[in-house]
Amino acid sequence: GAVVSQHPSWVICKSGTSVKIECRSLDFQATTMFWYRQFPKQSLMLMATSNEGSKATYEQGVEKDKFLINHASLTLSTLTVTSAHPEDSSFYICSAREEGGVAFFGQGTRLTVV
Amino acid sequence: GQQVMQIPQYQHVQEGEDFTTYCNSSTTLSNIQWYKQRPGGHPVFLIQLVKSGEVKKQKRLTFQFGEAKKNSSLHITATQTTDVGTYFCAGFPMDSNYQLIWGAGTKLIIKP
Repeated sequence: GAVVSQHPSWVICKSGTSVKIECRSLDFQATTMFWYRQFPKQSLMLMATSNEGSKATYEQGVEKDKFLINHASLTLSTLTVTSAHPEDSSFYICSAREEGGVAFFGQGTRLTVV
Repeated sequence: GQQVMQIPQYQHVQEGEDFTTYCNSSTTLSNIQWYKQRPGGHPVFLIQLVKSGEVKKQKRLTFQFGEAKKNSSLHITATQTTDVGTYFCAGFPMDSNYQLIWGAGTKLIIKP
């Protein structure tokens, strides 16, 4: 079946630094990718939707300058958390969908900012 | 490894018929969530079940969490065209706060 690979699976960074998370579709072309944030034992919260080659659409309340999303190719989207702070510590998960298809989820990235 | 099996992969129904999807986990879950993805959309959170044997209803949708907290089901009564989409279950293993284990989804198709 379709596979979405997300990397890294966990990262610890210092406050003020930036962290990049990659989401790759391994066996299909992902025209749309979604980025979610998840708090412990809570549901996924959609942060933004990106379509290949165009700017991401952010959900209300999500700072676009803080969470930079790039979807430059049909198999790769990146989320960069800029100037990370401890309150950004969370679990970030992507999902990728080919045109007209079902969305498949990556494994998620656990970000801890110290 | 830990996994959640979800069946069926597809279900074709006539409008007005009922629909059910089942999830079975290889490990005990602390809670289970259900999501719906409409065609062309993204997965949207529907509900979370926490207690053993819990049953929750949302209009025509009935969600159940098994006594052993390893299985769950979603039942839709008298399907409508607005129910079309893919339904996913996702569970938290007991030892995890973050890592959801996802079912593969069941696609509900309404026959014309």
